[in-house]
Amino acid sequence: EIVLTQSPATLSLSPGERATLSCRASQSVSSYLAWYQQKPGQAPRLLIYDASIRVTGIPARFSGSGSGTDFTLTISSLEPEDFGLYYCQQRTNGRYSFGQGTKLEIK
Amino acid sequence: EVQLVESGGGFVQPGGSLRLSCEASGFTFSNYFMNWVRQAPGKGPEWIAYVSTSSATIYYADSVKGRFTISRDNAKNTMYLQMNSLRAEDTAIYYCARINYGNWFDPWGQGTLVTVSS
Repeated sequence: EIVLTQSPATLSLSPGERATLSCRASQSVSSYLAWYQQKPGQAPRLLIYDASIRVTGIPARFSGSGSGTDFTLTISSLEPEDFGLYYCQQRTNGRYSFGQGTKLEIK
Repeated sequence: EVQLVESGGGFVQPGGSLRLSCEASGFTFSNYFMNWVRQAPGKGPEWIAYVSTSSATIYYADSVKGRFTISRDNAKNTMYLQMNSLRAEDTAIYYCARINYGNWFDPWGQGTLVTVSS
């Protein structure tokens, strides 16, 4: 089973600042990685897939990078609505796993 | 509008059973692979099952293999999760999710809560 480790667990930033969230896989997942945002009481929402492709309708301030075992989600300039939980997800041989999440909170 | 609506959650004692449903609307259900994902309180999501369009291919997470069964009825635009031999650690919100963009979960339903407790 491929384990995804996200860091940091909590990130405290102010609106307008740049956020950098990391996801590391226990073995290579090539570019089979996605990022999701989750707000309290809601289901996760897909933001980025195949490591770097932004979903239609997701603002350009969200970007993804990486391949193999190390991946990054960057939010260039935080808006108030960006605060919440972020999860990475990988797909291997038809099976999936998620990271434990990064909580992005307002400083 | 693409929509997924789960139902069937509730309170059950350890060892009991529940059947969850996921009704799809706003898209051609039979053309899409589907999944069940759960999220325990305060934890990250956990993928638990996948079914292909024709049900020819099914995958399970090790944590539920042998206890849970995923199925779908394309004529009814509905996917199911039969859960047997439930344990306290199965307590979670259960979501259904469509595969989109090749491999990824989009959208998700609103979830249904399953509580396993004596």
